[in-house]
Amino acid sequence: AQSVTQLDSQVPVFEEAPVELRCNYSSSVSVYLFWYVQYPNQGLQLLLKYLSGSTLVKGINGFEAEFNKSQTSFHLRKPSVHISDTAEYFCAVSEVDSSYKLIFGSGTRLLVRP
Amino acid sequence: ETGVTQSPTHLIKTRGQQVTLRCSSQSGHNTVSWYQQALGQGPQFIFQYYREEENGRGNFPPRFSGLQFPNYSSELNVNALELDDSALYLCASSPTTNTEAFFGQGTRLTVV
Repeated sequence: AQSVTQLDSQVPVFEEAPVELRCNYSSSVSVYLFWYVQYPNQGLQLLLKYLSGSTLVKGINGFEAEFNKSQTSFHLRKPSVHISDTAEYFCAVSEVDSSYKLIFGSGTRLLVRP
Repeated sequence: ETGVTQSPTHLIKTRGQQVTLRCSSQSGHNTVSWYQQALGQGPQFIFQYYREEENGRGNFPPRFSGLQFPNYSSELNVNALELDDSALYLCASSPTTNTEAFFGQGTRLTVV
């Protein structure tokens, strides 16, 4: 069975500092990988996705993530955060052969301080 | 282009009652998925509907049921509500079954 582990429940960081949100997954089959962001009282917005090809994926709002198959990781990074990046971030996986179902991690709250 | 819309936005129900949540998919999308997000947790897959048929189901009891209409809008029905059903219910639509999912803003259900 698949599972997703987000190692940090909360990450505090100062504005303009770099940040990395960690995500590890477990699966016996090939997967697609996603990062979603959730602002307060809103649904989920897709930041970026890895389907195949280059392991470095660039997304919206200056975020990027790197797929590491040997480490089964898909960490999210941003070189310089803004106050407006404060939100909940979810890593998710889906099996390539049954990609209708997303398995989410428990989320990481990014708190950007001035 | 209209995105995914859900109604109502908030709802309070009593334990044992039944509830129906509604979702209008994004224009051109024929697939709708439902997720339950308990407080402080990630969303959990309930089921997916493709062209009015259930296309996959997560680990939820039969009292969670759904429907998709010819215009691809969808309903989530929950019978015999329990306190643990209190959560944010998210609907997501996709152009087909295995492509990017676009989420609505959710319905916050509180069971008292």
